[in-house]
Amino acid sequence: SAVISQKPSRDICQRGTSLTIQCQVDSQVTMMFWYRQQPGQSLTLIATANQGSEATYESGFVIDKFPISRPNLTFSTLTVSNMSPEDSSIYLCSVDGGRGTEAFFGQGTRLTVV
Amino acid sequence: AQTVTQSQPEMSVQEAETVTLSCTYDTSESDYYLFWYKQPPSRQMILVIRQEAYKQQNATENRFSVNFQKAAKSFSLKISDSQLGDAAMYFCAYRANKLIFGTGTLLAVQP
Repeated sequence: SAVISQKPSRDICQRGTSLTIQCQVDSQVTMMFWYRQQPGQSLTLIATANQGSEATYESGFVIDKFPISRPNLTFSTLTVSNMSPEDSSIYLCSVDGGRGTEAFFGQGTRLTVV
Repeated sequence: AQTVTQSQPEMSVQEAETVTLSCTYDTSESDYYLFWYKQPPSRQMILVIRQEAYKQQNATENRFSVNFQKAAKSFSLKISDSQLGDAAMYFCAYRANKLIFGTGTLLAVQP
């Protein structure tokens, strides 16, 4: 199992600013994942954060908007840049051990952009 | 592309009764895994049950069981003896190379 601490748990931000979300795992993991959950919607994968290499982004998500850092095997950050109200969502960090294993999630960051 | 569909946006069940949540998926892969996750108002995603596609036997975890029909690409979740604490959003998910979630079913449990 893995315990994931995600900070901040919520924030209200002004449009045009940026917010960095932190994800700390209590054990070393190869891959970490960042998801977005828009209000009342499902989870959509933003990117996979790989240690020692650039993140792999899903279609519709770009590095300039969602830069990701992965300095070591237990930590990652996601930045939401130049925010607009459309970025208001829950952002979740996740880890798993591969194809058939359980995914563990942080408690999410509820972001509101005004 | 793989997709996961949950056709029931909302469901309601009486406490102690049984409810079934539907899920279908589309894939050309033969080796994959299916999951049901629960998300209560706390936002914490919790694994309910997991099914390996190569296993014909339906997975069971206490009051939770699945009906896995591989040919039909169907993966429904049955909750028996429903409890108030079962009220949550339930997501069906598929994983081959990455985890793909369905749109979710909001389950209400009536006392």
